[in-house]
Amino acid sequence: QKEVEQNSGPLSVPEGAIASLNCTYSDRGSQSFFWYRQYSGKSPELIMSIYSNGDKEDGRFTAQLNKASQYVSLLIRDSQPSDSATYLCAVAGSARQLTFGSGTQLTVLP
Amino acid sequence: DGGITQSPKYLFRKEGQNVTLSCEQNLNHDAMYWYRQDPGQGLRLIYYSQIVNDFQKGDIAEGYSVSREKKESFPLTVTSAQKNPTAFYLCASSAAAESNQPQHFGDGTRLSIL
Repeated sequence: QKEVEQNSGPLSVPEGAIASLNCTYSDRGSQSFFWYRQYSGKSPELIMSIYSNGDKEDGRFTAQLNKASQYVSLLIRDSQPSDSATYLCAVAGSARQLTFGSGTQLTVLP
Repeated sequence: DGGITQSPKYLFRKEGQNVTLSCEQNLNHDAMYWYRQDPGQGLRLIYYSQIVNDFQKGDIAEGYSVSREKKESFPLTVTSAQKNPTAFYLCASSAAAESNQPQHFGDGTRLSIL
């Protein structure tokens, strides 16, 4: 069974803190990993993609991938109230289709 | 502006009725996808198409049909056989069906039962 698991939350962090979002996946053949942000009532927006082990930084966002542990995470530094959203982890497995986690709801408290 | 346009934004279906959701993209992307999202859930793949005149079933294709007669267009029909159609429907596209190509989404269509 190919699965992508995320803690559903809600996760609350104070403004300015680091938010850490985690995702595990079951398909060892997975090659590509994506993080999407979805505001309430809106469609998902791509914020990060990562393909190799290690860290990838883009502004306040850092994606971390560990294929041996089948684990991908997203760190948001200096969290802002505008970061409050649901974050979806998506994994492209050996079948080349994306499988989405159910999302983690993040609330950044002013 | 390049992007993916879904219409209508809201749609209501009567019992026994088929309805069609439109998805158009001007990104020159080869691959297009339809997902369904239920409240508090992730996205589930309904159908996808990697090339014109070809499409494959996703995880939850029963009660749905699609066509891909033009590269730009990938309409989804929700048939009367879909007994629980109330959901948020999202169309996406990617440059190719390769796994390293990210998918980008339209604004979605909310379908409800009358």
